[in-house]
Amino acid sequence: GAVVSQHPSWVICKSGTSVKIECRSLDFQATTMFWYRQFPKQSLMLMATSNEGSKATYEQGVEKDKFLINHASLTLSTLTVTSAHPEDSSFYICSALRLAGGNTDTQYFGPGTRLTVL
Amino acid sequence: AQSVTQPDIHITVSEGASLELRCNYSYGATPYLFWYVQSPGQGLQLLLKYFSGDTLVQGIKGFEAEFKRSQSSFNLRKPSVHWSDAAEYFCAVVRGSTLGRLYFGRGTQLTVWP
Repeated sequence: GAVVSQHPSWVICKSGTSVKIECRSLDFQATTMFWYRQFPKQSLMLMATSNEGSKATYEQGVEKDKFLINHASLTLSTLTVTSAHPEDSSFYICSALRLAGGNTDTQYFGPGTRLTVL
Repeated sequence: AQSVTQPDIHITVSEGASLELRCNYSYGATPYLFWYVQSPGQGLQLLLKYFSGDTLVQGIKGFEAEFKRSQSSFNLRKPSVHWSDAAEYFCAVVRGSTLGRLYFGRGTQLTVWP
């Protein structure tokens, strides 16, 4: 099956620093990727839709200036958490949409990145 | 707006027993519904999906789900649970018209006793 990777798998940083998380579709091109956030023992919350070659579309309540998304190529989207604070600590999950036509379009999820801000 | 509700936070079953995980959706039209499984250290895996057509959907790993419009439900079932099925299960619905924009339920943690 299609594979989506994330790097790093976990990261610890100091408060006030910025952290970049990469999401790659390894064996297909993805014009659209998505970023989710998952708090411990909770559900996944959609943060934004990443569109290759254009600006990301953020969900209501998500700070655009804090969570910078760049989708510069058909296989790579990055999420940068700027000036991270402890409340940004979370599990960040990306997904990539593989278009195959109609009902066969499929979304593949990455394994997630655990961010801990001290 | 579309949403899903998973009423059960945690379910425990014995290995070999049948399983049903509940999911209720809120949407005026026919929703696009999914069931995903999340195991520690692994990404979300799609078990099955419903877009239209036959209301009984077969998925991977012996799972099936039935779309019931009258009950606004999309419950996940498995006739005989294996210890390896222990994981977190999420029901999800597409938000708007973009396939990848999913609204997830809060999840149901499945524990399987030997």
